[in-house]
Amino acid sequence: DIQMTQSPSSLSASVGDRVTITCRASQTIISYLNWYQQKPGQAPKVLIYAASDLETGVPARFSGSGSGTDFTLTISSLEPEDFATYYCQQTYTMPLTFGPGTKLQIK
Amino acid sequence: QVRLVESGGGVVQPGGSLRLSCAASGFAFDRYLIHWVRQAPGRGLEWVAFIRFDESTDNYADSVKGRFTLTRDNSKNTVYLQMNSLRPEDTAIYYCAKEKTVVSVDFFDYWGQGTLVTVSS
Repeated sequence: DIQMTQSPSSLSASVGDRVTITCRASQTIISYLNWYQQKPGQAPKVLIYAASDLETGVPARFSGSGSGTDFTLTISSLEPEDFATYYCQQTYTMPLTFGPGTKLQIK
Repeated sequence: QVRLVESGGGVVQPGGSLRLSCAASGFAFDRYLIHWVRQAPGRGLEWVAFIRFDESTDNYADSVKGRFTLTRDNSKNTVYLQMNSLRPEDTAIYYCAKEKTVVSVDFFDYWGQGTLVTVSS
């Protein structure tokens, strides 16, 4: 199975900050990497698919990059509604696997 | 609009069984893969299984293989997750999610609100 890791596991930041979250796969997944946002009590919501494509309706302050084994999610300027937990997911091969999550908290 | 609604969760004893349902609306249900993902209390996301539109292919995480079975009734726009031999570690919120594309596994564009399964004596 492909193992996904994320760093940091938690992060404190302020509104307006630029934030970067890293995701690493245990083997190459080319660009089969998605990012989801989950708020407490809610289902996850996709933000970025295929490593760098912005899902329809997602604000442009979210961006993704990377290929192979190393990927990043960047939020260019944090808004209050962005404080949530972020998960990466590989869909290169079965079983599909998620990273452990990064909790983004208000400083 | 697209809607997925899970039901069937509850409390069950270890070794017991439960059947979850995922009722869909707002899209051509008989064309899309449907996935199940679970989340143990306070923990991360774990993909559980998927089923193709025509039931020709299903796939399961090792943690549930041989115990969980997916079926679907396209006439009712519903997918069923039959869970047998349940263990305490199966305790989680179970979400169903719609695959974005019709031809491959890409990403999940719509999710249900989840149903809680608790395995406890």
